[in-house]
Parts: sequence; C-alpha cells; structure tokens
Amino acid sequence: DAKTTQPPSMDCAEGRAANLPCNHSTISGNEYVYWYRQIHSQGPQYIIHGLKNNETNEMASLIITEDRKSSTLILPHATLRDTAVYYCIVQLQGAQKLVFGQGTRLTINP
Amino acid sequence: GAVVSQHPSRVICKSGTSVKIECRSLDFQATTMFWYRQFPKQSLMLMATSNEGSKATYEQGVEKDKFLINHASLTLSTLTVTSAHPEDSSFYICSATGSSYNSPLHFGNGTRLTVT
Repeated sequence: DAKTTQPPSMDCAEGRAANLPCNHSTISGNEYVYWYRQIHSQGPQYIIHGLKNNETNEMASLIITEDRKSSTLILPHATLRDTAVYYCIVQLQGAQKLVFGQGTRLTINP
Repeated sequence: GAVVSQHPSRVICKSGTSVKIECRSLDFQATTMFWYRQFPKQSLMLMATSNEGSKATYEQGVEKDKFLINHASLTLSTLTVTSAHPEDSSFYICSATGSSYNSPLHFGNGTRLTVT
C-alpha cells in the first residue's frame, strides 16, 4: 500500500518554480522519501531522495519538514519537458521494491 | 548513469500466442529486477520480483504460470506473457538495481503490448 498522499494534479507556468507537495505522516525513522517522474509512455525516471536533510541535485530540490511527515519537491525553473506524473514514495533504502501511488500529474503551461 | 534497456518497445500479437519481453541492464550487474504493469490512466503495479539464478516472487493476484519470468544472468531478465488475451494488453515496465545499497531503481522505457 502506498504510504503517501499527493494532489492528483497541478499546473505551473513555464519558467516558474514548481512545488509538488507530498504527505507521509506514517513514515518511520529509517524510511527515505523518493521522487520519481513518468513522462507519457516512458518508464519512470529517478529524481531525488532523502532521509531528513534537504537535498539538491541537478534536477530538483527536496525539502523535508523537521517532523518528516511531509516533503516538497521543487523544480526551480520548470520547462515544458517537465510535464509528467510525479510520484512520491516512502521506502527503506535498499528495500528496492517500490510501491507506486497515484502521483501528481504536473502540467507546465507556456 | 545506469541504463536499463527494454525490448521490444511495442508489440502486437494475436490472442492465444505468447510474447517475450526482454530487460537488460547495460552498464551494471542487476542482482534483482522488477516487473511492473500499467493500465491506461493508472499507476504502476508491481507484478513480480526477479532474482538472478532463482525463481521469481510474484505479487498476490499475478498468475505465475501466465507471466513467466526468467533471470538467467546478471544483466538479463525476460517476461513471457503466455496465451495472451486482450485483457493482457498493457504497458509492461521493468526496473533494475545494482548491488549497492544506495542504488536507486532504474527503469526501462516500457513495452506496449496489444493483444488482438
């Protein structure tokens, strides 16, 4: 069972920051927050993951609240190619088997 | 970065025939591979976990005799849909991870199966 709650859809203007929220109120102390995205008719793409510290890479930033019950994925300058379904997944690191929820369908508008 | 290749990307077959889908890890050894299925407008659903050199572990409700999985090497896993029916038409996606504890899953680009 998916342990996360995400809004089903969001819109963002091209060039603006896209902030995607995720609630994971039942997360346990050793579970990580993973983000993947799936562009139409492709396999999911890994974006970023974190435990409790904020993380940043070339694709995005991950902000995790201090109580770890929620997080936000930030795409700093969204482009049309960022239109996709974004999945927030809570998982033990190394557990490998990912259980996908319904995700957020992010649409970037010109 | 790690690459997972899936073949074919699209396949159309007739009812009653079997279809084989290949999943390869191109630049790393994948001790474990996972097979997912995705119906239109739905999320990915895990079908089975494939471990090199051993029998696959199937999720509840997935028929192991219908969806045959073989993971004969550290770089190749195959999924065979046997006696395919139109309701098996779906998007099949494989994923793989290396032996590193920190390795995230990497996914293939999926296979669109249409059974006529």
